[in-house]
Amino acid sequence: GDSVTQMEGPVTLSEEAFLTINCTYTATGYPSLFWYVQYPGEGLQLLLKATKADDKGSNKGFEATYRKETTSFHLEKGSVQVSDSAVYFCALSEKGAQKLVFGQGTRLTINP
Amino acid sequence: ETGVTQTPRHLVMGMTNKKSLKCEQHLGHNAMYWYKQSAKKPLELMFVYNFKEQTENNSVPSRFSPECPNSSHLFLHLHTLQPEDSALYLCASSQLAGYNEQFFGPGTRLTVL
Repeated sequence: GDSVTQMEGPVTLSEEAFLTINCTYTATGYPSLFWYVQYPGEGLQLLLKATKADDKGSNKGFEATYRKETTSFHLEKGSVQVSDSAVYFCALSEKGAQKLVFGQGTRLTINP
Repeated sequence: ETGVTQTPRHLVMGMTNKKSLKCEQHLGHNAMYWYKQSAKKPLELMFVYNFKEQTENNSVPSRFSPECPNSSHLFLHLHTLQPEDSALYLCASSQLAGYNEQFFGPGTRLTVL
């Protein structure tokens, strides 16, 4: 079945550092890919998405590119802020499927 | 109210209690979902409702009983829970089941003693 694998956390960085959180997936078809973010005490919020190969999703300085050849959707940000501290989830959804398949989440802490 | 709301935000219950979680979406969506988020485990989809009809039950024990009286409201009735059921229960909605983008509520933190 479909699955998503994220890099193990927690990840701790200093403010203004470059961020990469790796995400790879296994799917039978051509899924849409998502990054969700969960701030402390809150539910999940959609951060960005890509619906086909080579699409780049971007939002709030974060970017991820849908790489079909490597089945990856790595999240990047050039300069992180303390306010980016959260748990980040990579997810996929097959076309017409009723559910999102999530990775295990990566906790990110940014120190001032 | 906007988005997806959930009440209560925190709930502590004994194993013999009966309680209910409530979710309401103000987005005009037609599909609603219950997820369970436990520590160190991926989010687990529990139930999917599309136009008030249950379309997916992900092998959830019968001590969890969902109810969807209309497209805006979703309940999760709880009875004779176990301590391992302690988790964050998240509700989500989307325009249609199978529509990619889901919007989540803040969750109910459940503790079973």
